[in-house]
Amino acid sequence: DIQMTQSPSSLSASVGDRVTITCRASQSIGGNLNWYQQKPGKAPNLLIYATSTLHTGVPSRFSGSGSGTEFTLTISSLQPEDFATYYCQQSYSTPPITFGQGTRLEIK
Amino acid sequence: QVQLVQSGAEVKKPGSSVKVSCKASGDTFSTSSITWVRQAPGQALEWMGEIIPIVGATNYAQKFQGRVTISADKSTSTAYMELSSLRFDDTAVYYCARDQLEVTPDDVFDLWGQGTMVTVSS
Repeated sequence: DIQMTQSPSSLSASVGDRVTITCRASQSIGGNLNWYQQKPGKAPNLLIYATSTLHTGVPSRFSGSGSGTEFTLTISSLQPEDFATYYCQQSYSTPPITFGQGTRLEIK
Repeated sequence: QVQLVQSGAEVKKPGSSVKVSCKASGDTFSTSSITWVRQAPGQALEWMGEIIPIVGATNYAQKFQGRVTISADKSTSTAYMELSSLRFDDTAVYYCARDQLEVTPDDVFDLWGQGTMVTVSS
């Protein structure tokens, strides 16, 4: 199984900050990396798929990059509604589909 | 508006089974696969398995092989996830999610159900 490791596990930032979350795969996954946002008590929401394609309706302050084993999610200017937990997910070698352990983004 | 609507919370005894439903509105059932993901309290997302309803094909995570059965009723656009031999550590929120075939790349989940809390307690 492909293991996905996110860093950091948690992050404190302020509104307006630029934030980057990293996701590393235990082996190359090409560009088959997706990002989800989850708010407390809610289901995850798709943000980005195939490394860098924004899902419909996702604000342009979100962006994704990377390839192979290392990927990043960047939020260019944090907004109050962005404080949430973010998960990466590989869709290269399945089954099983695997997720990262999550990065909790908190208000500083 | 397309939605996935899941059945309500369940409390089960250890050793019993639970069956969670996920009803899709609109015509999405015929053009999608449905995946099941669970999340234990304070933990990460964990993939359990999937079904392509139009053909009935399934895949399961090895961890759950033999304990999980995913099925679908095309006539009602409803998918089901049944987990047997429940243990305390099966306490989690169980989500269904849609993967639109031939719209997004495989295994991209663009629509999720609201989640079903399953509590295993004696």
